[in-house]
Amino acid sequence: QQPVQSPQAVILREGEDAVINCSSSKALYSVHWYRQKHGEAPIFLMILLKGGEQKGHDKISASFNEKKQQSSLYLTASQLSYSGTYFCGTEILGGAQKLVFGQGTRLTINP
Amino acid sequence: NAGVTQTPKFQVLKTGQSMTLQCAQDMNHNSMYWYRQDPGMGLRLIYYSASEGTTDKGEVPNGYNVSRLNKREFSLRLESAAPSQTSVYFCASSESSGGAHEQFFGPGTRLTVL
Repeated sequence: QQPVQSPQAVILREGEDAVINCSSSKALYSVHWYRQKHGEAPIFLMILLKGGEQKGHDKISASFNEKKQQSSLYLTASQLSYSGTYFCGTEILGGAQKLVFGQGTRLTINP
Repeated sequence: NAGVTQTPKFQVLKTGQSMTLQCAQDMNHNSMYWYRQDPGMGLRLIYYSASEGTTDKGEVPNGYNVSRLNKREFSLRLESAAPSQTSVYFCASSESSGGAHEQFFGPGTRLTVL
């Protein structure tokens, strides 16, 4: 039931783009994205509630493909501040109202 | 607003000892959660409370108990600590349970069981 994130780790140079994927084996009601810096608490980025919905702010956006049961997080023109571990959390359609988190994707941005 | 607060920040226990982790939120949220985070494992839900007076098991409840003391406070108790419970514990809260509401996380408690 745990969603699978890919890749597990990414190393970029400042200004490059990145895509992080989150896939579920079950139909989804929602997908959350969080970022966590080392030694800190996870911070909320966005929620996607509908199939096909795309959200974003600044240069971070996400999409939700209901049919494929997956979500993708897009980081455009990455900045040093984007470094950290990104987690998706999924709620199963028709399931208990709780999130199950993926194992995380570690993103490193170098100057 | 302090958001979600947790005490203590760090704790070292010996095998078999007991302790309670405290969590409080000042955002008037209905739902609260306890997660543990181990390297490479992401966040795993231990217990959650959808609303005051209710608690439910998450993915990894064995060895833990919880109490939703009131709307603000949600505590996690380890009755007899084991080395496998060495982890970082995060408390979180949200306006309501379910995937439509963002979760706000506390700073975490780093627990080591020797």
